[in-house]
Amino acid sequence: EAGVAQSPRYKIIEKRQSVAFWCNPISGHATLYWYQQILGQGPKLLIQFQNNGVVDDSQLPKDRFSAERLKGVDSTLKIQPAKLEDSAVYLCASSLRLAENTGELFFGEGSRLTVL
Amino acid sequence: QKEVEQNSGPLSVPEGAIASLNCTYSDRVSQSFFWYRQYSGKSPELIMSIYSNGDKEDGRFTAQLNKASQYVSLLIRDSQPSDSATYLCAVITGGGNKLTFGTGTQLKVEL
Repeated sequence: EAGVAQSPRYKIIEKRQSVAFWCNPISGHATLYWYQQILGQGPKLLIQFQNNGVVDDSQLPKDRFSAERLKGVDSTLKIQPAKLEDSAVYLCASSLRLAENTGELFFGEGSRLTVL
Repeated sequence: QKEVEQNSGPLSVPEGAIASLNCTYSDRVSQSFFWYRQYSGKSPELIMSIYSNGDKEDGRFTAQLNKASQYVSLLIRDSQPSDSATYLCAVITGGGNKLTFGTGTQLKVEL
């Protein structure tokens, strides 16, 4: 079974530039998550989709971050304009159902963003 | 107060010893608790889940839950160098929809 696919793996940009990350979850997984993990910290949930609807985006900085999940499958996370503090690994994860049912999230390898 | 708190470590234990990792949480209504392992430069992977008070054993791993004290722990028996990683405690919060992670405890198992 193919895992969660993410791209790009690495991205370096200047502050105020824009960047987009792509995620393809495990086939059949209804729930998709984007987490931000800053070095030395635990993952922080940015946004959670159930199929193509948003379940939680309370910690998404909506002035600069946006995310969408087209047709309930692939998802894109965009940052525009980027700030220095956005340097982090952006982890995409998926699960069969809502987290409360299994708590088992399958993570992709992550996209490491460096903002200079 | 953070929703999920862990000591960042590092926690160093000799090979063969028992490693004890601790976690506290603030949401009294939380019912589901998880331990994820994250190797350096890799993504988190689930190793244990626990939902009821008491102990749950899986091989060398034992998860312990005390809801009255809002405390979760992970014991690793016969620690191996391959257990060296960051262990993330995660709790279902926000009424059951959100998985919130702690900052993680770095474990080092020394030869």
